[in-house]
Amino acid sequence: GEDVEQSLFLSVREGDSSVINCTYTDSSSTYLYWYKQEPGAGLQLLTYIFSNMDMKQDQRLTVLLNKKDKHLSLRIADTQTGDSAIYFCAETYNQGGKLIFGQGTELSVKP
Amino acid sequence: KAGVTQTPRYLIKTRGQQVTLSCSPISGHRSVSWYQQTPGQGLQFLFEYFSETQRNKGNFPGRFSGRQFSNSRSEMNVSTLELGDSALYLCASSHTRDTRRENTQYFGPGTRLTVL
Repeated sequence: GEDVEQSLFLSVREGDSSVINCTYTDSSSTYLYWYKQEPGAGLQLLTYIFSNMDMKQDQRLTVLLNKKDKHLSLRIADTQTGDSAIYFCAETYNQGGKLIFGQGTELSVKP
Repeated sequence: KAGVTQTPRYLIKTRGQQVTLSCSPISGHRSVSWYQQTPGQGLQFLFEYFSETQRNKGNFPGRFSGRQFSNSRSEMNVSTLELGDSALYLCASSHTRDTRRENTQYFGPGTRLTVL
């Protein structure tokens, strides 16, 4: 089935780390993505991870993948107020060109 | 490289009318996918075009259609608009549609459609 789940809200203090979690259902997904959406804007690609990897680090971003539990997380180190946005995880369904998105996690960063 | 562009950015229509939205992919990208984003349903896949052919379709009524031109630009059309069609319509392009390869989709800014 097609289902990606995320918690809806996360609030952190500036300078803290943020961890956004996601679970997916399609074990055949080859790539998993994180996108960021600011108000009134489209989706900005943050990072992606291939399904045979456990971890990927890209500057302040760390992606962890637990394929057994179908669990994906995005850690943002030293979170800044500019990181306030909605974060979506997405999996590539087994048909090309189609992404299945979670509901999005609204990250609020308080100064 | 220029990103994905969508026109128009904002559109206001009335029920029963039809609308056409346009998307220009990143140069060299041949796959174009369309998504509808609403507060209630989130991001939902509409359809995907590759080499001028619809390759994949989401669960939307036949009022939603699209096409792709030889230069990979794509249009989507919604006929007989309903109030529930009010949404942000996002277009994304990728280099390939092969799921065994990295086929990251890059999104445009979207077209905000309001149906009155």
